[in-house]
Amino acid sequence: DAGITQSPRHKVTETGTPVTLRCHQTENHRYMYWYRQDPGHGLRLIHYSYGVKDTDKGEVSDGYSVSRSKTEDFLLTLESATSSQTSVYFCAITEGVGGGNTGELFFGEGSRLTVL
Amino acid sequence: AQKVTQAQTEISVVEKEDVTLDCVYETRDTTYYLFWYKQPPSGELVFLIRRNSFDEQNEISGRYSWNFQKSTSSFNFTITASQVVDSAVYFCALRPKTSYDKVIFGPGTSLSVIP
Repeated sequence: DAGITQSPRHKVTETGTPVTLRCHQTENHRYMYWYRQDPGHGLRLIHYSYGVKDTDKGEVSDGYSVSRSKTEDFLLTLESATSSQTSVYFCAITEGVGGGNTGELFFGEGSRLTVL
Repeated sequence: AQKVTQAQTEISVVEKEDVTLDCVYETRDTTYYLFWYKQPPSGELVFLIRRNSFDEQNEISGRYSWNFQKSTSSFNFTITASQVVDSAVYFCALRPKTSYDKVIFGPGTSLSVIP
């Protein structure tokens, strides 16, 4: 058990409203990620973090922002949700690569977001 | 370019049959890791195995086995004597050793095991 919890697990919202998804980990892992999963696209990286206040963009970052003010929490914000952001969002952690760590990802249970 | 191809979109087998899920990858990196993940109908993503590019030994874990062939850039996954609980989507993934964000996932193969 990688100790990752996501909240909320399900959310329905309307176009134009802000939405924040939270990822919380209990294992003090350095690297945290947000992915979205859509039919036909597999898993795509939105943003990731390599430490407190250190974040970077992934391949589908437009329309999303992130923040990491504490090691254990990584927040994903949709400033103004659109229907194209209807998806299942997964948070993941890893210890990174090197020092004996090999970078496998461990995922949270997912958050299903529907934007009407 | 880095890419992971899982040519089999959907596979159906009858329980107790053996099934192989194909994974072909492309990378210019000389050192990399390969992974398999399982996503059962309940939706969670479960890490199954990691393989280092320097280690071409095949691995067996119970009914699961993995065949890594660097010469053909393939990392195939075989389930022996399949069971209904094996029904899931299986993802193959590639990560260069020195990159923390460049995990490339394949599109997944949906496996249905019919009782």
